[in-house]
Amino acid sequence: NAGVTQTPKFRILKIGQSMTLQCTQDMNHNYMYWYRQDPGMGLKLIYYSVGAGITDKGEVPNGYNVSRSTTEDFPLRLELAAPSQTSVYFCASKKQGANEQFFGPGTRLTVL
Amino acid sequence: TQLLEQSPQFLSIQEGENLTVYCNSSSVFSSLQWYRQEPGEGPVLLVTVVTGGEVKKLKRLTFQFGDARKDSSLHITAAQPGDTGLYLCADNSGTYKYIFGTGTRLKVLA
Repeated sequence: NAGVTQTPKFRILKIGQSMTLQCTQDMNHNYMYWYRQDPGMGLKLIYYSVGAGITDKGEVPNGYNVSRSTTEDFPLRLELAAPSQTSVYFCASKKQGANEQFFGPGTRLTVL
Repeated sequence: TQLLEQSPQFLSIQEGENLTVYCNSSSVFSSLQWYRQEPGEGPVLLVTVVTGGEVKKLKRLTFQFGDARKDSSLHITAAQPGDTGLYLCADNSGTYKYIFGTGTRLKVLA
């Protein structure tokens, strides 16, 4: 049981490039979340999903897109990367009816 | 929009000292969670509190939920270097979405 896995661990992008951050969970959780964490700050919700085929915006969705074609996977797409998207990105999942979110180890992204 | 403010922002103490950190909300909490995040890792849930006035203990950590359910505190007794990390409070406001606080960064010196 690997929990929540994220790839890559680190990435440097140039302004205007695009990339996909991968997130997979093997706990059969319905709910999945993408957060960003800027240095010294708490987490801000980018997008979330309550099940396969269903996604919705969080607090800071601009510049990002998501899809949820399976229960296990919830990739986050960055189009036209900007320096303001430099951050650490965390994926999380939780079981329906529970409060506890399980987080992945994060992806550290730098946009230069 | 609900805002969660945590204080202090930073705390550096010696091993064996006691400390308290706080989480205050601009609106009533639905169910409050406390997480700890160690450097280079994702947050890990410590506790969930739901009922106003509730007190929960987890070894040397004591969590208190305010009667009005708009504030919470985390007290650590005899802090150890292993307690070092970022402490975050979070609430879901009764929805699927979670709001996280600004965090308290704790460093315990040996």
